[in-house]
Amino acid sequence: DAGVTQSPTHLIKTRGQQVTLRCSPKSGHDTVSWYQQALGQGPQFIFQYYEEEERQRGNFPDRFSGHQFPNYSSELNVNALLLGDSALYLCASSRLAGFQETQYFGPGTRLLVL
Amino acid sequence: SQQGEEDPQALSIQEGENATMNCSYKTSINNLQWYRQNSGRGLVHLILIRSNEREKHSGRLRVTLDTSKKSSSLLITASRAADTASYFCATDEGGKLIFGQGTELSVKP
Repeated sequence: DAGVTQSPTHLIKTRGQQVTLRCSPKSGHDTVSWYQQALGQGPQFIFQYYEEEERQRGNFPDRFSGHQFPNYSSELNVNALLLGDSALYLCASSRLAGFQETQYFGPGTRLLVL
Repeated sequence: SQQGEEDPQALSIQEGENATMNCSYKTSINNLQWYRQNSGRGLVHLILIRSNEREKHSGRLRVTLDTSKKSSSLLITASRAADTASYFCATDEGGKLIFGQGTELSVKP
């Protein structure tokens, strides 16, 4: 049973560019949440996708957008990259919009913006 | 915004000793979850305790929850060098996890 997978593992971009990160949830899970973790900090919630719709959103600008596909996999897109977007991006999957459910995390994508 | 605050921020112990980490939070919760993270990699789920539970065990882990004090603690007994990691508590707000800043645990052999 494959766990949560993310791609790519590492990425280097320059300011102003756009990036797309991908996540495949654990088998049997229908909900994907995205988190940003800056160095030395705890993860911060970006948004959550359930039934192909954005169900909840954290305090992140519109430059951060996402999508969920019919097979429950998800993408996180960040436009007009800033230096401050450099972080570890974590994807978590769960069932039923994650309510009272354990969320399982992937290994993360480390993004460096130069 | 961070809801939980872990205490201490860093903890260094010898192998075989017990490690206790505390977490405080601000609002009502559905449940509280503890995670471990090794060297900036993905988070590993350790334990979930619901708001109507007071204590839960999993192997060498013991978690307590006091909703009246809005606090939780994680106890790792008989620690091993492999327990060296960052530990985070996270409160569940309708499926959205709110994390604290974590406790960095170092277990020396």
